[in-house]
Amino acid sequence: KNQVEQSPQSLIILEGKNCTLQCNYTVSPFSNLRWYKQDTGRGPVSLTIMTFSENTKSNGRYTATLDADTKQSSLHITASQLSDSASYICVVSEAWGGYQKVTFGIGTKLQVIP
Amino acid sequence: DGGITQSPKYLFRKEGQNVTLSCEQNLNHDAMYWYRQDPGQGLRLIYYSQIVNDFQKGDIAEGYSVSREKKESFPLTVTSAQKNPTAFYLCASSTDSNEKLFFGSGTQLSVL
Repeated sequence: KNQVEQSPQSLIILEGKNCTLQCNYTVSPFSNLRWYKQDTGRGPVSLTIMTFSENTKSNGRYTATLDADTKQSSLHITASQLSDSASYICVVSEAWGGYQKVTFGIGTKLQVIP
Repeated sequence: DGGITQSPKYLFRKEGQNVTLSCEQNLNHDAMYWYRQDPGQGLRLIYYSQIVNDFQKGDIAEGYSVSREKKESFPLTVTSAQKNPTAFYLCASSTDSNEKLFFGSGTQLSVL
């Protein structure tokens, strides 16, 4: 069974500090990996997409990495802001799987405090 | 504004009652989806539709029904057969299966 595991489950950091969230997956064959940000009581919003050939991708203060050999991804947040407080969800798509073969992680709940 | 609109934001269901959650999109996306989000679990797919007048069961379709009479609309009915309906329901759309999902703001359904 395809799985996506995220760590830590929750994290509290001081405003201005950096943090790194982890995602390990067993989805095979792999198509792509996305990171979504979900504010409390809202729908998730896509931050980045990583395909098999990509190692690093940045979106402002967010940098995602992918190691397709070890099936690991990370999301690094630089100079955190209070507005970064949210859940961050790792989502992995299976190649040739169509609409049904998308596996969601539980998410990491990040709280940025002043 | 382009996007996906879900309504209502909060919904309460009485025992034995069917309730319908609304989802409308003006992104001109062909594919639409319904997910259920429970604490401590990843999103789970209830139903999806690739095209008007066609839809497919996802992983947890029992107790739910959908329709896709218009490209813009994909309502979800939670029937009385769904014994544990309390959850946060998210509607999403995409251009195709390999593209990113655009989510609505969600509907929190609770049982009275």
